[in-house]
Amino acid sequence: RKEVEQDPGPFNVPEGATVAFNCTYSNSASQSFFWYRQDCRKEPKLLMSVYSSGNEDGRFTAQLNRASQYISLLIRDSKLSDSATYLCVQGVTGGGNKLTFGTGTQLKVEL
Amino acid sequence: DAGVTQSPTHLIKTRGQHVTLRCSPISGHKSVSWYQQVLGQGPQFIFQYYEKEERGRGNFPDRFSARQFPNYSSELNVNALLLGDSALYLCASSLGAGQGAGELFFGEGSRLTVL
Repeated sequence: RKEVEQDPGPFNVPEGATVAFNCTYSNSASQSFFWYRQDCRKEPKLLMSVYSSGNEDGRFTAQLNRASQYISLLIRDSKLSDSATYLCVQGVTGGGNKLTFGTGTQLKVEL
Repeated sequence: DAGVTQSPTHLIKTRGQHVTLRCSPISGHKSVSWYQQVLGQGPQFIFQYYEKEERGRGNFPDRFSARQFPNYSSELNVNALLLGDSALYLCASSLGAGQGAGELFFGEGSRLTVL
């Protein structure tokens, strides 16, 4: 079983739609979680950190459910520019700042 | 301010050869990590260096090695290249070494093709 599992997609949605991604993780000791965005043939960039209390950044909302060991990302009012691969990431406790990435979920926002 | 810079951006090697990839972190960042990203997969952790010392190692064979220099730049070396080593090699820098070290900033990567 992979440490971080995501549906690879692609998710094809019309502009303005709301889309949600989930991912599950297996390391219950992990303390930190993130969503990274990666555009085609580019480097990953931090989108947002994920906290148990949930956090929101504009049209993006991230949530962590420790009991069920899953992380979610909600994107409201999708824009064409949101088209990218979204990587679910966990920080490994005691592993320096080693990050474990999921495979990524591809999002395509269409007119 | 310059971000994380990596060189070369693209390179082609043949099986059995050796490759050296280079990374310069963001000014003031003391930690450098290396990740391998195979097409269609997420990045996989290879090494982390902080203050010239190895702080973490992923599940990669001994053909992979790295080091960090006094100016915090880093090199990743891969010996006896295999076809499966073809990937995007990403370098990331951060201020510190632990989980509270702050955001990881990635370079654009070195795309290695092994023929």
